[in-house]
Amino acid sequence: GAGVSQSPSNKVTEKGKDVELRCDPISGHTALYWYRQSLGQGLEFLIYFQGNSAPDKSGLPSDRFSAERTGGSVSTLTIQRTQQEDSAVYLCASRLAGTVSYEQYFGPGTRLTVT
Amino acid sequence: AQSVAQPEDQVNVAEGNPLTVKCTYSVSGNPYLFWYVQYPNRGLQFLLKYITGDNLVKGSYGFEAEFNKSQTSFHLKKPSALVSDSALYFCAVRDPMDSSYKLIFGSGTRLLVRP
Repeated sequence: GAGVSQSPSNKVTEKGKDVELRCDPISGHTALYWYRQSLGQGLEFLIYFQGNSAPDKSGLPSDRFSAERTGGSVSTLTIQRTQQEDSAVYLCASRLAGTVSYEQYFGPGTRLTVT
Repeated sequence: AQSVAQPEDQVNVAEGNPLTVKCTYSVSGNPYLFWYVQYPNRGLQFLLKYITGDNLVKGSYGFEAEFNKSQTSFHLKKPSALVSDSALYFCAVRDPMDSSYKLIFGSGTRLLVRP
């Protein structure tokens, strides 16, 4: 079946511009995560959605970052007034909640470059 | 706070030799542990997990990992390395008390298998 998809695969933007990154999770997966992978570093958690519950935003680095998930499926991560330190690969993952599998399935990521 | 350490930035091994990629963790209670692999320009792929039970866990592509509670380690192993195993490997832990199931990742270890 189809995996997690993300778009665009690459995004180059000028400092100060806003960007939107999109994630389509695996069909039926109610849990959705955003992570950020900076050069030479591991992945850091950004935000978590589970069904209709309030999202866990504890990993968002600043108020320039926001995310929403419409209809319990597609999610959009928005970065306002981008800064050069926002350059990273943004990864989305989904999980089939309510099972004991626990593992998350990752998309290919969006590589964001802020010039 | 929960954390994961991968002490080696890079591991070099000859094809056909056994490989070990090290991981240690710090988490309250009994951890859920994962290994993921990332090939160039691709998302993370799940390799294996330890939740409970047998300390030796077998996963995809011939990889296995051994959970050692006393040493708080979860090293990834393979008896005979292939050139195609060359990739970036991430160890991750989930705090069982965290209802979001978010993963805390190590910084990654680059595995280079030479022919």
